[in-house]
Formats: sequence, C-alpha cells, structure tokens
Amino acid sequence: AQRVTQPEKLLSVFKGAPVELKCNYSYSGSPELFWYVQYSRQRLQLLLRHISRESIKGFTADLNKGETSFHLKKPFAQEEDSAMYYCALIGRGSNYKLTFGKGTLLTVNP
Amino acid sequence: GAGVSQTPSNKVTEKGKYVELRCDPISGHTALYWYRQSLGQGPEFLIYFQGTGAADDSGLPNDRFFAVRPEGSVSTLKIQRTERGDSAVYLCASSLTGTSDEQFFGPGTRLTVL
Repeated sequence: AQRVTQPEKLLSVFKGAPVELKCNYSYSGSPELFWYVQYSRQRLQLLLRHISRESIKGFTADLNKGETSFHLKKPFAQEEDSAMYYCALIGRGSNYKLTFGKGTLLTVNP
Repeated sequence: GAGVSQTPSNKVTEKGKYVELRCDPISGHTALYWYRQSLGQGPEFLIYFQGTGAADDSGLPNDRFFAVRPEGSVSTLKIQRTERGDSAVYLCASSLTGTSDEQFFGPGTRLTVL
C-alpha cells in the first residue's frame, strides 16, 4: 500500500526565515513525487514535481530514496507563501492515481 | 483559457436523498478524475476516466457512488441514498492524456448531508 505522511499539521514562521515542510512516503518501488499548494480561496494547484527538478517560487524539493522523504524547502519565506501544502505521490503501477498526505498549513508572519 | 469547472459549488441535502455533482474538464483533456476530501484530510482518489470509460473506479467507497462521462467530456458523480458520512468536498481534475501529466483541479463541490 502506498502512503504519504506529513507530520506537521501547522507550521508558522516569520517572513525571511527558512522553511521546510516535511513529507515521508511509503511505497515499494520508485514513485513520482509532487507538491501541491492551495492558497486561500483558490483551487489546488501543482507547485512542483521531483522529475522536473525545478525551483518554483523559490521552493525546491529533493527526493531522498534512502529516507523515503521529499521535503519542501525555501530559504527565505514570504507572506504570500502562506497556504495549505500537500505532498502527493503516483505509484509507477498506475501512472495517474495521486495519493495525498493530510497537508500542512503554512503561515508566514510579518 | 477556462479551467476545470464544477457545479454546484455547494450542495446541502438530507440523508437518504440522491445528488448529482457535475464536472466540466479543460477542453481537449482526455483524462478526468474525481477525488473526495474530508475535513482535515488530503484528497482521496475515487475514479479515473480515460475518454468515456471508467478506467479505474477502485476508489469508489461503495455501490451508492457512480460516475459517468458519456461523451468523453463532462462527467457527473452520482450518489444515491446519501449518508452523513458522505459530507465532504468533491474535487474533479483533468489532464491531457492521463499518463503522469499534470492534473488540473476544479474548485470543488462542498456536499453537506444533514
């Protein structure tokens, strides 16, 4: 069975501070990992995926297969980063079925 | 261009009633997905359509839930004999081909069963 765990329900940081949102996964194989973000009153949208190795809005995430983690990081948080963040995976067997974590609500204080 | 749209945005119904939730995917997207998000949880997969056919309905919780996509575009999620536990936000998403490509989500329908 595949599972995504986001241990922090809430995370609060000050503007300009580094931020790390944790994500661990359980999957017997090589999954594809994603971070989705939902800003207030907006729909869920893709932030980044591990295969593209991009930095989006200053966020990066590295897949660590040894620790089965895909933590999301940003060196200097901005107030507009305040949102709900979901880590998700697609198992190689399905190619389409997203399995989400429960999400972390990030608040960046001025 | 227009994104995924869902109607209604909110639906309040009584236990035991029948409801239909509609999803309009992005034009040209062959893949369509339904997810359910309960309070405090992440979205959970319900069903995946490739064209007109349900390629994977393994996430539907029981036979009260059914979904169709008769012309390969608009989809309707149907729930019979609603129960209070069905209360959730129902999300629809679409993607171009359905093979690991980006899923674009709609705003969701918030279903409340009294």
